Parts: sequence; C-alpha cells; structure tokens
Amino acid sequence: AQSVTQLGSHVSVSEGALVLLRCNYSSSVPPYLFWYVQYPNQGLQLLLKYTSAATLVKGINGFEAEFKKSETSFHLTKPSAHMSDAAEYFCAVTEGMNSGGYQKVTFGTGTKLQVIP
Amino acid sequence: DAGITQSPRHKVTETGTPVTLRCHQTENHRYMYWYRQDPGHGLRLIHYSYGVKDTDKGEVSDGYSVSRSKTEDFLLTLESATSSQTSVYFCAISSQGANQPQHFGDGTRLSIL
Repeated sequence: AQSVTQLGSHVSVSEGALVLLRCNYSSSVPPYLFWYVQYPNQGLQLLLKYTSAATLVKGINGFEAEFKKSETSFHLTKPSAHMSDAAEYFCAVTEGMNSGGYQKVTFGTGTKLQVIP
Repeated sequence: DAGITQSPRHKVTETGTPVTLRCHQTENHRYMYWYRQDPGHGLRLIHYSYGVKDTDKGEVSDGYSVSRSKTEDFLLTLESATSSQTSVYFCAISSQGANQPQHFGDGTRLSIL
C-alpha cells in the first residue's frame, strides 16, 4: 500500500532563505510523485511531478524536487523564499491503476509555509 | 488553468437537509473526483468516476452519493447532512494514466449547523 509522510505541518523561513519541505513515501512499485500548492480559498495547483524521466524535477515558481529512491524521499526545495511562496504544500503519490483504470492518489497532510519578511 | 467550476462556492444549511454540490468541467477528462479537506487530514477521497454512469467509492464515502450523467458534470449529494460533514469539498479531474496530475476546482465551503 502506498503512503506519504510530510514532516512538519508548519515551516517558517525568512524571505530570501532556502525553502526545504520534506516528503517521504512508501510504495510497493515504482511511484509517480507530485507536489501541489494551495493558496488560501483556492484549490490545489500542480507544482511539479516525477514520472521516472529524471530524478531532479524542476517546477513552476523556482521550485524543484529530487527523487531519491534509496531514501524514499521527494523533498521540495527553493533556493530563495519569496513572500508570495506562503501557502500550503501537499506531496502526493500514485502507484498505478485498478481494473477500472482509476489511479489511486494518496496525499500527504500538508505543510504550511510561512515566509517572514 | 483547467476548466473546472464548482457550485455553490459557499453553503450553510441545517442538519438533516439534503445538499447537492456540482462540479462542471470543460476539459473532457474521463476521471472526476470528489474530496473533502479537513485540518490535520489533508485530502480524503469521497467518490470518483471513471466515465458516464461509472462511479466508485473512496475512503470516506459513508453518507455521500454521486452521479455522473454527462461527461462534464459530477454531482455530490449529502442525503441527510450531519455536522460532521462540515468541510471544504473539492472536485478534481484527470486524464487517463497514473502519471497524469489531477486538476482541482476552487472548492465549496459547506457548513452544517
């Protein structure tokens, strides 16, 4: 069974500092991994996804994530935080399809990023 | 942005009343999903659909039913609303393939008094 763990429900960084949001996954087969961002009163938006083409994945807004199979991790980073990065971030994993073609997605519980000016 | 519209965006109702939430897409995607989002729980799948009239239960389906009579519309019904169903509800869509991301609507904030 697949699962996702996001370490830290709240993370605070200073503007201009490195952002590191942690995600560890469990999967019985090679996974597909996603990071989503949610701004207040909005739905989730895709930041980036890992689909086995490259272990270092670049996304929107300067974010990137590295897939490390040995550590079962997919941490999200950004070199320099901006005030507009304040939001909630969700890691998600899929394993594949059941007979109906449904792709089960498991979401982490989210990490709220606060950026301090 | 993916064309997903949820209605209503906000609703307040009383315990025991029926409630229907609507999700409309303009992307012609095969898969549609209903989630609820609650603090500390992240997103939990209620029901999903893999085609017209083809639906299945998610992990928190008790007290909810769904219908999909057209590709573009996916309805979520609370037959008899309870206070525990106060939540933010999100509709999502995706095309076929486990490597395909889901695209989300802006949510419906539902309060049951």
